[in-house]
Order: sequence, then C-alpha cells, then structure tokens
Amino acid sequence: EAGVAQSPRYKIIEKRQSVAFWCNPISGHATLYWYQQILGQGPKLLIQFQNNGVVDDSQLPKDRFSAERLKGVDSTLKIQPAKLEDSAVYLCASGPGKGLRSYNEQFFGPGTRLTVL
Amino acid sequence: KQEVTQIPAALSVPEGENLVLNCSFTDSAIYNLQWFRQDPGKGLTSLLLIQSSQREQTSGRLNASLDKSSGRSTLYIAASQPGDSATYLCAVSGAGSYQLTFGKGTKLSVIP
Repeated sequence: EAGVAQSPRYKIIEKRQSVAFWCNPISGHATLYWYQQILGQGPKLLIQFQNNGVVDDSQLPKDRFSAERLKGVDSTLKIQPAKLEDSAVYLCASGPGKGLRSYNEQFFGPGTRLTVL
Repeated sequence: KQEVTQIPAALSVPEGENLVLNCSFTDSAIYNLQWFRQDPGKGLTSLLLIQSSQREQTSGRLNASLDKSSGRSTLYIAASQPGDSATYLCAVSGAGSYQLTFGKGTKLSVIP
C-alpha cells in the first residue's frame, strides 16, 4: 500500500512570510497527526484529527499556525507569519484508528524540512 | 505530564556487536510503547510496538522489552550491521489520549 505523502520536501522562506504544507494519508486511515521536529529533538505533536474533526490542538501555536483536514482525507498545515524558531521538520502521520491493529499505530511521511531565514 | 528519556544520546559500536538502547518514561499509565527508526532526512519507520499488557516484542534481530511498572523499555539489536546506523526513537502513548510522546532519540553508528 502507498505510504503517507507529503509536499514539499524542502522549503526555505524569510521570517514573516507564509508557508503551507500538504499531507495525503494512507487510504482509509481515520486519524491524522502533524508533528514538529526541531533538530536534535523528538517529534512534538501539533494537532490530531479524527476524520475531519480536531481531537487535540493544545500544542498548536494558534496565533500563527492553522491546520485543516477537508473531507477527512488530505490535510494542510499553514504558518503565517513564520518566525526563525519555526525552522524544523514537519512530519505528518496517519493511523487506522479502530481496527484489527493497534488503535494508535502511526505511519509517518518523509516530512517537510522548513528553513526560516 | 509524560516525559521520555533515552540513554545514551549517541552510541558507536563495531559491526557484529550486540547492543542495547534504553528508554524511560515518567508516567506508567501508558497504552503502548513504540520504537522508531529515523534515517537522516527521512521520516520515521515503526520498528516494534508493545502493548501495555505485553512484556516484549521481537522482529528479526530486534527485541524490545517493556517494564511498565518501572517505566522502562529496552531495544536490543543483535549482530549489528552498518545498515543499522540511524537514530532510534522511543515513544509512549497515553492511556486516555493515545497521543505519542517521544524521547530525543539515540544516534547509533555501526562501524564496519
């Protein structure tokens, strides 16, 4: 089966600019997650969707970050305006939700590396 | 708040050695624990998932153990190979939210 797709793979912008990332989860997966991974750190959850509803966005900096998952499939994560400290890899993951496998087993995409100058 | 610690931060071993990576977590009320592998510039690949009711899981040369009461897990890699060089991340999911909390990882280098 096809894995989680993300684009773009790399993005370089100047501070105060806007940027958007796209994620296409594994077909049929109900849950979708966005993580931020700063160099040398483990991934940190930003937002979790179940179908097209938000389950948890408590760690999403809502003054500048926004995310949506239209029709419960693809998702976009936007940063507006970007700050220097937003430089990181943004990972998207999806999971089957309820099913034969673990309820929250997650499958990760290759990530988008963002550099803010 | 759950905190996950991985020791050591980096490890370098000669090819063929057996090795152990350690992971500890502060809140024992977990749903499961996962070990991931991350290659430079790549996403995460799930290696092993241990449910909270299980003690260990095995896949090929990898064996992961879980001691929930003491808040510890180990990842054992047998007969290490240069292709095992990567960063290994441990993550636990909470019993209520199923969200993953990650450690900072152990960077493994296997020297030919």
